[in-house]
Amino acid sequence: GAVVSQHPSRVICKSGTSVKIECRSLDFQATTMFWYRQFPKKSLMLMATSNEGSKATYEQGVEKDKFLINHASLTLSTLTVTSAHPEDSSFYICSARPALVTTGGLSSSYNEQFFGPGTRLTVL
Amino acid sequence: RKEVEQDPGPFNVPEGATVAFNCTYSNSASQSFFWYRQDCRKEPKLLMSVYSSGNEDGRFTAQLNRASQYISLLIRDSKLSDSATYLCVVNEWNNAGNMLTFGGGTRLMVKP
Repeated sequence: GAVVSQHPSRVICKSGTSVKIECRSLDFQATTMFWYRQFPKKSLMLMATSNEGSKATYEQGVEKDKFLINHASLTLSTLTVTSAHPEDSSFYICSARPALVTTGGLSSSYNEQFFGPGTRLTVL
Repeated sequence: RKEVEQDPGPFNVPEGATVAFNCTYSNSASQSFFWYRQDCRKEPKLLMSVYSSGNEDGRFTAQLNRASQYISLLIRDSKLSDSATYLCVVNEWNNAGNMLTFGGGTRLMVKP
C-alpha cells in the first residue's frame, strides 16, 4: 500500500521557536496533501489543504502566517509552526492523496488519502 | 452543531460480543463515507468504506442511510485487538476540492 512518512515523529521545543514538520509520500506522487491537528481525546481537525505548486488553503480559524505550508514537490509538503507556544502542543498528522495520470496531466484521485504516522509536538 | 457526530463511549464489551456504533452527519451533500480506526497515539487507518447497499468485511459490517444521514458499524465476535477508537469520516467538497471531515470517534475497549 501507499506509504506516507513524517519527520520528526516527536519534537520538544522552547516557546518562541519555530518547528518544521515534513510529510513525504514515499511510493507515489501526491498533488494534494492535508495537514490535521489532533488534541488529546479529540478528533482530527483539518488545518489546511496543500496543493503542489500553489498556495495552501487554510481552514477557518487557522492562522496562515503562523502555520506556514510549502508543497514544493509532488512528494513533499512541509508545515512550519512559527513562534510556537504551549497551546500549539498537539499531534500533527499529514495525509496525501495520490495523483492520477490523465490525458490532461496529473490530477488528484477522488477521495483516497493515506496518512502519515504523525508528529507529536510539545512546546515548553 | 458538529458536522459529524458520534457517541464518544467508551464501549466496554467482553470478548466475543457484538457491538454497534452509530454516526450522524449534517451535510446532505456529502459524497462518500468511511470508518477509520485509530489506535492510541497513532495515525488513523482506513477500516472500510460505507456504501448505500451496505457492505461487509469479515466481522465488520457498515451501513449507510442517506435519508436519515446516518452511518453504522457493527463488529461481531469482538477480539481484544479490536480495542481502539473508531472514527466516522465523511467526504465533502470545499473550495479546495474534496476533504475528509472526522467525527469525534467512539472508543471501544474489549475485555477478556
